[in-house]
Amino acid sequence: QLQLQESGSGLVKPSETLSLTCTISGGSISSLDYYWGWIRQPPGKGLEWIGSFYYRGSTYYSPSLKSRLTISVDTSKNQLSLRLRSVTAADTAVYYCARQRNVGWGRMDWFDPWGQGTLVTVSS
Amino acid sequence: QSALTQPASVSGSPGQSITISCTGTSSDVGAYHYVSWYQQHPGKAPKLMIYGVNNRPSGVSNRFSGSKSGNTASLTISGLQAEDEADYYCSSYTSSASYVFGTGTKVTVL
Repeated sequence: QLQLQESGSGLVKPSETLSLTCTISGGSISSLDYYWGWIRQPPGKGLEWIGSFYYRGSTYYSPSLKSRLTISVDTSKNQLSLRLRSVTAADTAVYYCARQRNVGWGRMDWFDPWGQGTLVTVSS
Repeated sequence: QSALTQPASVSGSPGQSITISCTGTSSDVGAYHYVSWYQQHPGKAPKLMIYGVNNRPSGVSNRFSGSKSGNTASLTISGLQAEDEADYYCSSYTSSASYVFGTGTKVTVL
């Protein structure tokens, strides 16, 4: 059974870099059938797509975060990583990683399953 | 990329049917069959309920169904049950090679 687990710093200072890791078990991050994505949810608010990574090298980022964002993978550890630079209080959110269906032609579809999420607070 | 538009709240009595709308544009919902719906209970991760506009993953009750007309997708919950009380989000792939979620709808079982 595929499982995803987010980990990383729960508290980040403004202007610093938020770093998270998603460890995948029960499946391979090298699968050609799936992307691996990050989604966030500010407290009391809705879901926001952050970006998605495909093993063959395609990475897609939210236009609103693209200038501050890097998503990468470590295939030897079966891990997905997120780095968001120059954070502000607006980046405070629960961050989820999830597997995303690859439907070909660079297109992405549904997310399933999701990790349990990790709360990151940006505060001095 | 703007979020897809959903009603903030929808309510119904046990046994009734409710429908949640999800309005996008001709660049997302209207352009592709890649519309999904997620259920989220408080403090929990979202759960996939519908994919490909009207397909249910294994294990999801057949009381949940999806449809699409033009730029608007819909999720219908029939035979409403107390356990259906949750937040629901739609989502879609977009023509700018990105992905967008809806604003979310809180479903209340009266």
